[in-house]
Amino acid sequence: SQQGEEDPQALSIQEGENATMNCSYKTSINNLQWYRQNSGRGLVHLILIRSNEREKHSGRLRVTLDTSKKSSSLLITASRAADTASYFCAGRGSNYKLTFGKGTLLTVNP
Amino acid sequence: DTEVTQTPKHLVMGMTNKKSLKCEQHMGHRAMYWYKQKAKKPPELMFVYSYEKLSINESVPSRFSPECPNSSLLNLHLHALQPEDSALYLCASSLGLAGPPAGELFFGEGSRLTVL
Repeated sequence: SQQGEEDPQALSIQEGENATMNCSYKTSINNLQWYRQNSGRGLVHLILIRSNEREKHSGRLRVTLDTSKKSSSLLITASRAADTASYFCAGRGSNYKLTFGKGTLLTVNP
Repeated sequence: DTEVTQTPKHLVMGMTNKKSLKCEQHMGHRAMYWYKQKAKKPPELMFVYSYEKLSINESVPSRFSPECPNSSLLNLHLHALQPEDSALYLCASSLGLAGPPAGELFFGEGSRLTVL
């Protein structure tokens, strides 16, 4: 079963624009993580936010977490063509499992 | 060295074959994972090893048999697979099972398996 449900499933923007992806999850989590996957490649860890944190920044990435709504968002600012990839949220539950959401396919057009 | 290395990158096997996927990391991580990913789907957890012991088995069919010979190596033995088992098999490792940064996973590039 998936922990997260990303929204939108696909997003197409122009270079320089901001991209926002949302994730909702079902069960309680210890932390929520975001990963990126280029087509046919392995996943790359982007950022982790703990359940007691509300916002976190890393470079052009900003992640928010609302545990009352069981939701998170990932904002990529000033997007580049190289940001084109699938983005997955993943929740780490108390059972130590890291379960991935369905993902958002981001296309950044030059 | 921050890499997780998976071999082979591609594998084609018949339903009666026995093959193995291999995964190696030298980051001193004590948790290792196998995930299965079908096209346009998220990774699905199969197995988790912690300190070389199987911690989680997500009710995976016995035709998939994991093995952790030591803290750096993780194998997935394959036998009598079905065509629907064709997928990208991803290995990952983390410092531990819980708590940042322990919980951040490092993934290999995957082994693309095709079952004929």
